[in-house]
Amino acid sequence: QKEVEQDPGPLSVPEGAIVSLNCTYSNSAFQYFMWYRQYSRKGPELLMYTYSSGNKEDGRFTAQVDKSSKYISLFIRDSQPSDSATYLCAMSGVGGTSYGKLTFGQGTILTVHP
Amino acid sequence: DGGITQSPKYLFRKEGQNVTLSCEQNLNHDAMYWYRQDPGQGLRLIYYSQIVNDFQKGDIAEGYSVSREKKESFPLTVTSAQKNPTAFYLCASAQGNGQPQHFGDGTRLSIL
Repeated sequence: QKEVEQDPGPLSVPEGAIVSLNCTYSNSAFQYFMWYRQYSRKGPELLMYTYSSGNKEDGRFTAQVDKSSKYISLFIRDSQPSDSATYLCAMSGVGGTSYGKLTFGQGTILTVHP
Repeated sequence: DGGITQSPKYLFRKEGQNVTLSCEQNLNHDAMYWYRQDPGQGLRLIYYSQIVNDFQKGDIAEGYSVSREKKESFPLTVTSAQKNPTAFYLCASAQGNGQPQHFGDGTRLSIL
């Protein structure tokens, strides 16, 4: 079983839809949670960064972390064709063998069609 | 502009050849990382360095080598021992433990 599981999709939605992307994880030491967006042939770009449980909102994007369920989500409101990309969740712990290392999900391919 | 520069963008390797991928950052970050990305497998960590003149193996270090002689530079050598080197290679840096990593735009390596 992988430490981080992410549904690879692909996910196809109409413009203006609300998109929900999710990851589950098994390592209870994870405390830092990130979402990255990656366009084709480009490096991942940081979208959201959260520490421990709770919600964080930035424009059309909302990140949620539920440590008790080992589950994180990214919501995209009013989705646009420019949101079409691969979305990667990533997480890390503190200290020990987790020090400084990110563990990534497989990535979810999202297409928003006009 | 601050950022991470990877070069070249595309690289071809002949049988038995070692090739070196460049990664430079001007973010003054202490930590640097190398990942390999294959379709459907996400990013896998090859090597990382928390400080100059020190580095650690990641999950898939076999067939690769690195050096960290300067804070801003972390080159990756793909050796002839790496039998399946075709992949997209990504370099990242971070200020420290728990801080988000920032990525370059990658080098795509292929076999001739």
